[in-house]
Amino acid sequence: AQSVTQPDIHITVSEGASLELRCNYSYGATPYLFWYVQSPGQGLQLLLKYFSGDTLVQGIKGFEAEFKRSQSSFNLRKPSVHWSDAAEYFCAVDDAGNMLTFGGGTRLMVKP
Amino acid sequence: DSGVTQTPKHLITATGQRVTLRCSPRSGDLSVYWYQQSLDQGLQFLIHYYNGEERAKGNILERFSAQQFPDLHSELNLSSLELGDSALYFCASTSGDEQFFGPGTRLTVL
Repeated sequence: AQSVTQPDIHITVSEGASLELRCNYSYGATPYLFWYVQSPGQGLQLLLKYFSGDTLVQGIKGFEAEFKRSQSSFNLRKPSVHWSDAAEYFCAVDDAGNMLTFGGGTRLMVKP
Repeated sequence: DSGVTQTPKHLITATGQRVTLRCSPRSGDLSVYWYQQSLDQGLQFLIHYYNGEERAKGNILERFSAQQFPDLHSELNLSSLELGDSALYFCASTSGDEQFFGPGTRLTVL
């Protein structure tokens, strides 16, 4: 069965600093990978997705992620964090049946 | 706004009771997925319906059941509620390979 690990439960960065959120997955075939963001009291919003092709994918809100098959990773990055980026971020893998398996989430706090 | 609607937004009930959560997918989407988000279990897939038929089951308890109606809305029924069922319940519908999530129903069992 597939699994997703987000090693960092909490991350705090200063506004304007760069950000990298880690995600490692375990899946037998080529995975479909996603990053979602959840603001307090809100549902999940898709930031970006990877299915195939270029391993560097661009998403909304200035986020990007890089798929590295050799490391089974799909890390999320942003060059300059804004205070509005404070939220919880979830990495997920799709088993091609559209059933998403989520990581435990990383809560991002942004210092002014 | 994802286009997926869920009602009610909040639900407070007592142990042993039964509740029904409702989800309407985006217009034209045939699939509905249900997920549970709790502090100890995180985000877990519960069940998937496609055009009225059950397609996949995840970590859904026997006390829980779901159905999808001809108008494509779905209901998740939770019975014999326990304190541990307190969670945020999301539904999602699919367009292509992307799932669009509703705002969730927060269930509190006292």
